Amino acid sequence: KQEVTQIPAALSVPEGENLVLNCSFTDSAIYNLQWFRQDPGKGLTSLLLIQSSQREQTSGRLNASLDKSSGRSTLYIAASQPGDSATYLCAVPNAGNMLTFGGGTRLMVKP
Amino acid sequence: ETGVTQSPTHLIKTRGQQVTLRCSSQSGHNTVSWYQQALGQGPQFIFQYYREEENGRGNFPPRFSGLQFPNYSSELNVNALELDDSALYLCASSLEQGRGGETQYFGPGTRLLVL
Repeated sequence: KQEVTQIPAALSVPEGENLVLNCSFTDSAIYNLQWFRQDPGKGLTSLLLIQSSQREQTSGRLNASLDKSSGRSTLYIAASQPGDSATYLCAVPNAGNMLTFGGGTRLMVKP
Repeated sequence: ETGVTQSPTHLIKTRGQQVTLRCSSQSGHNTVSWYQQALGQGPQFIFQYYREEENGRGNFPPRFSGLQFPNYSSELNVNALELDDSALYLCASSLEQGRGGETQYFGPGTRLLVL
C-alpha cells in the first residue's frame, strides 16, 4: 500500500527566501507525482506534474524534482513571496489514477 | 471550457441524517473521483467513477455511495451521518484513456459540518 509523507508539516520563512518542501513515497512504481497548492478552505490547484520518466519540472519560480529510486520528490520555491502562503500537497496515483496524498506542508511567508 | 464545479459550497447536517453532494466534471472528462479531507490532513480517496461505473474504492464504509450520470456529472451520498464525517469533500475529474496517471482537476469542494 502506497504511503506518502511530507516534511516539514509547517514552515514559516521571511519573504525572499528560497525554500524546499519534501515528499517521500514508499512504492517507487509510480506513473507520476503531482504537486498541488491549497488555500485555506479551498480546492486544490495543480502546480506541477512530473512523469515517472522525468527528473525535473519547472514552472516560473517553482521547480519539482523526482528521484523514483529513493522514493523522494522536492518542490523548490525561489524568492518566496507572501502570496505563496498556502498548504502544499504532493500526491501519487495508482494504476487506476486514484491519488494517495501526503499530509501537506503549511507554508507561511512573512512580509 | 468550464472547470469542475461542486454544490453546495457549505452544508450543515445533524448526526443520523443523509446528504447528497454534487459535482460537474470538466468538459470532455469521463472520470470523476471523490476525496474527503479532514481539517489539517491530506485528502483521502473515497471512490472513482468511470463511464457511470464505480471503478475503485478507498477505505470507506458502504454508507458512502455514489453515482455518475451519462453527462459524467456525479453525486456523493452519505447515509447515517456521523460527527467524523465533517470534512471538505473534493471532486476531481480527468480524461482516462487507459494509460494511467492522467492529470486530475479539482473542484472548490463542499464543506460539510455534522452536528
